[in-house]
Amino acid sequence: EAQVTQNPRYLITVTGKKLTVTCSQNMNHEYMSWYRQDPGLGLRQIYYSMNVEVTDKGDVPEGYKVSRKEKRNFPLILESPSPNQTSLYFCASSSRGLEQYFGPGTRLTVT
Amino acid sequence: QKEVEQNSGPLSVPEGAIASLNCTYSDRGSQSFFWYRQYSGKSPELIMFIYSNGDKEDGRFTAQLNKASQYVSLLIRDSQPSDSATYLCAVNRGGNQFYFGTGTSLTVIP
Repeated sequence: EAQVTQNPRYLITVTGKKLTVTCSQNMNHEYMSWYRQDPGLGLRQIYYSMNVEVTDKGDVPEGYKVSRKEKRNFPLILESPSPNQTSLYFCASSSRGLEQYFGPGTRLTVT
Repeated sequence: QKEVEQNSGPLSVPEGAIASLNCTYSDRGSQSFFWYRQYSGKSPELIMFIYSNGDKEDGRFTAQLNKASQYVSLLIRDSQPSDSATYLCAVNRGGNQFYFGTGTSLTVIP
């Protein structure tokens, strides 16, 4: 089954404790993205990647890091999480920027 | 100015009616336009995309694009209660850079 998986699905953590949210797709897609979704602000792109070792900043990259060492994986790293990073995070993949397939989401709470 | 603007709604229509959802975008360089549906607590799923001026139909859904007016719309014919969801408009400037609107909440009343 074609899918994008994210882990963990839910995470509660404390300010400053480094965390990684994993994202994996099995569709051999070149393009992958990370988004955060907040009430009243909608989906905002954090980082995107158009191929292995090629990443670029989206609309709201501050406080986040990504890496793309393998085509199927695109982890999101929060080196020092802060409460304003409490949000619902989605990973997405697509073939050449057309239909994006979204993962199930990761709900992150930073206290 | 926001990249993509949508009326947040809520929009309510009776079952069987036509629901009309609208979206405007600010960058004339935007190349392709997408409509996603998101049920509460779920991830967005693509309904359709359009990149040429005019209409594109897919079943009960029609997307309309007017690049001169920087306007995209989605029509849902014969609306069903299962269409009740939030509809997200997105634009692509090229490559993998996307901008989403904040979504319009649609309720179809049986």
